[in-house]
Amino acid sequence: KQEVTQIPAALSVPEGENLVLNCSFTDSAIYNLQWFRQDPGKGLTSLLLIQSSQREQTSGRLNASLDKSSGRSTLYIAASQPGDSATYLCAVKKEWWGGSEKLVFGKGTKLTVNP
Amino acid sequence: KAGVTQTPRYLIKTRGQQVTLSCSPISGHRSVSWYQQTPGQGLQFLFEYFSETQRNKGNFPGRFSGRQFSNSRSEMNVSTLELGDSALYLCASSFTSGLPETQYFGPGTRLLVL
Repeated sequence: KQEVTQIPAALSVPEGENLVLNCSFTDSAIYNLQWFRQDPGKGLTSLLLIQSSQREQTSGRLNASLDKSSGRSTLYIAASQPGDSATYLCAVKKEWWGGSEKLVFGKGTKLTVNP
Repeated sequence: KAGVTQTPRYLIKTRGQQVTLSCSPISGHRSVSWYQQTPGQGLQFLFEYFSETQRNKGNFPGRFSGRQFSNSRSEMNVSTLELGDSALYLCASSFTSGLPETQYFGPGTRLLVL
């Protein structure tokens, strides 16, 4: 059974700091890995999607890496801003076997960026 | 293009009642998945529908059921509500099923069971 763990559960940093969020998964037979952002009381917004054959993806100040063999992914946020404050969720999709959208989520890292 | 919409946004029910939640996917999307989010368990997969067929189901009791209509809109139903069913219920849509594309999530329905 796939399990996804995110460390730390909460993180508070001053504005401008670069930071790294960690995600680990127990079964390396994944199809892809996604990082989402969730604002309080809201749904999820997809940030980055990394296919199992890829090593990293970048979007603006965000960079996500994937090491499938070791079961790890990191989300790097450069020059953090107060608007980055949210909960960041990592999710993996099982290796495709017939077309399922099931995602297994970690419990998230709650990020607070202080002005 | 309108995003995923969910109705109602908030709901209060009492134990033993049943509830139906609705999800309208992004226009053209045919896959709809449902998730339950609680502080203790996090986000857990409920089920996925594609072209009116259930393609995958999570580990939830039979009180949780769903369906999808020909226009891809989906409903989920929870019968005989329990206190532990209080959660944020999220639905997500994608164009196809199983391909390398992201899912788009709705804002959720927050259900409180008293």
